[in-house]
Amino acid sequence: AQTVTQSQPEMSVQEAETVTLSCTYDTSESDYYLFWYKQPPSRQMILVIRQEAYKQQNATENRFSVNFQKAAKSFSLKISDSQLGDAAMYFCAYRPSNNNDMRFGAGTRLTVKP
Amino acid sequence: NAGVMQNPRHLVRRRGQEARLRCSPMKGHSHVYWYRQLPEEGLKFMVYLQKENIIDESGMPKERFSAEFPKEGPSILRIQQVVRGDSAAYFCASSPWTGEQYFGPGTRLTVT
Repeated sequence: AQTVTQSQPEMSVQEAETVTLSCTYDTSESDYYLFWYKQPPSRQMILVIRQEAYKQQNATENRFSVNFQKAAKSFSLKISDSQLGDAAMYFCAYRPSNNNDMRFGAGTRLTVKP
Repeated sequence: NAGVMQNPRHLVRRRGQEARLRCSPMKGHSHVYWYRQLPEEGLKFMVYLQKENIIDESGMPKERFSAEFPKEGPSILRIQQVVRGDSAAYFCASSPWTGEQYFGPGTRLTVT
């Protein structure tokens, strides 16, 4: 069974600083996708970034980047130059490449201090 | 291209009543997924459907819950004889086939 673990229930960061959110996963698959979703108070799930497991290069989207360590099954999210609008719940998710069954971690609540 | 639509956004039901949650996928998307989110938890997969077919319902409770995605019209998640433990946010997502899932805004179900 695939599981996704986010070991930090809550994190806080000062505005303009950098924060890293942790995620580990367990799978026996060799090909899969990893995602970070953001859920602001509106509760809308917003895709932040995705990573294909076969790619060695870490994905980057503007201020958001990941540190993907396939051997360690680790997929952390780094948010640079944090903004007040980054405050939200962040969910790490895993999906095998051969089906659509997506598994989510329990989430990390990020607070951004002005 | 409108995003994934869900309605109602908020639904209040008394114990024992039925709840019907609707999801209209993005245009061109033929795959629909339903997830449940309990307070302070992540999303839990419930069911995956294509048009007129249930592909994977391994996350759906065996009793009282059903889902459909007819040839015409939205996907429906139906909960019969609701209980307080059914109170949660229910999210729908759609995708064109395997690939990116786009989420709707969710329906918050409250059972009183």
